This record gives sequence, C-alpha cells and structure tokens, in this order.
Amino acid sequence: NSKVIQTPRYLVKGQGQKAKMRCIPEKGHPVVFWYQQNKNNEFKFLINFQNQEVLQQIDMTEKRFSAECPSNSPCSLEIQSSEAGDSALYLCASSLPGWNERLFFGHGTKLSVL
Amino acid sequence: QQQVRQSPQSLTVWEGGTTVLTCSYEDSTFNYFPWYQQFPGEGPALLISILSVSDKKEDGRFTTFFNKREKKLSLHIIDSQPGDSATYFCAASDTNAYKVIFGKGTHLHVLP
Repeated sequence: NSKVIQTPRYLVKGQGQKAKMRCIPEKGHPVVFWYQQNKNNEFKFLINFQNQEVLQQIDMTEKRFSAECPSNSPCSLEIQSSEAGDSALYLCASSLPGWNERLFFGHGTKLSVL
Repeated sequence: QQQVRQSPQSLTVWEGGTTVLTCSYEDSTFNYFPWYQQFPGEGPALLISILSVSDKKEDGRFTTFFNKREKKLSLHIIDSQPGDSATYFCAASDTNAYKVIFGKGTHLHVLP
C-alpha cells in the first residue's frame, strides 16, 4: 500500500479551468517529485523539492504550472489554465535525500481536460 | 542527451518462462539504474536497482545486469508468473541530479 497520498484520484476540468492536486509525502521524506505520465506511459519530470525549496524544475515556459511544498501542509501542483494536452496521470513521489534513493510513488491523480 | 531507451515495447511470455527486458542510455554520467514495476491504476514501485560499480544484482526471481562499456542494462525474470504482468520501467539518474529519467516502459503479459 502506497504511503504517499495523492488527492483527488480523478480530476475533470474544462479547458481554461484551474486544476489543483495535492500530495502528502511519506513521513520522514523531505524530497518530493512531481511527474506527468501520459497515455503512452512516458514520464515527464516536472519539479522536485527538498523540504520547501525547489531543487530542479523544467522550463515551464508557459507558466501554467505552479507547485509548492509548504511546511506542515500537503504539497500541491496547480495548472492555471488547463489544456487538452495536460490530460495525464500526475504522479507524486517522495524519497530520502540522496541521488540514489528509492522513489515512493502515490497512486497518482488522473486529470482529464475536456 | 538524457534519454533512456527500452525494448521491447510489449512482451508476452508463458508462465514459468524467462522474461528479458533491455534498456540503453547515452549519458555517461548516469550511475544509478532502478527498475520500477507499475500495475494498472497504481503508481510505480521499485523492483530492483543497480549502481554502475556493479555488473549484476539479484533479488529472488529478478536479476538486473549492467554493461557500462555498452551503456546497456537488462532485467531478467525467471519462472515468470501471471502476477508479474505489469509495465516495467528502466530508469537512470546521476550524482549531480535528483531527478530520475524514465524509459517508456515494457508492457509484460504472462500467460497462464
């Protein structure tokens, strides 16, 4: 059973609407990742955090994606203005610090943009 | 370029047979290679991993082999079971990056 909790499990939005999903990492894991997995199973790394600080992120040139991991609150990923191409499974993972640490994934949030 | 390539895209084996999945990469800075298993409706879970200082790691029915010179690795599953039916992802990372690069996966179907 996954100890990384993602909510909601399913999210349906219209084009142009905001889409927000949340993630509670496994207890004691300070590193959090967000990945987008499309219908072809391709993973796209979005962003990662250590505690509340961003470690790495892709060039979100469209600026439609934002993410944060505030202390004592769930991490979140928000799409400001959803597009059909954003339909995917959004996976959150957490880990201990270290470049070769195991990632523990949640079940994901399946976003459908109509 | 940070890419991880997997083959085959899909594979069907009979129960009790041996499954072989392969993976290749280009970036010579990669030195950690995990394999993740994903069932429908779930997130991926770590199956087995290997560091570039090793050439083989075994865990029960699962063995991963690493060839640094050829930049290739493989996952062998002996005595494949229907419960092994899942999508398997090869991944890679290096000491300078926290992000893990995933391949496109191999969908494995084990027939009883």
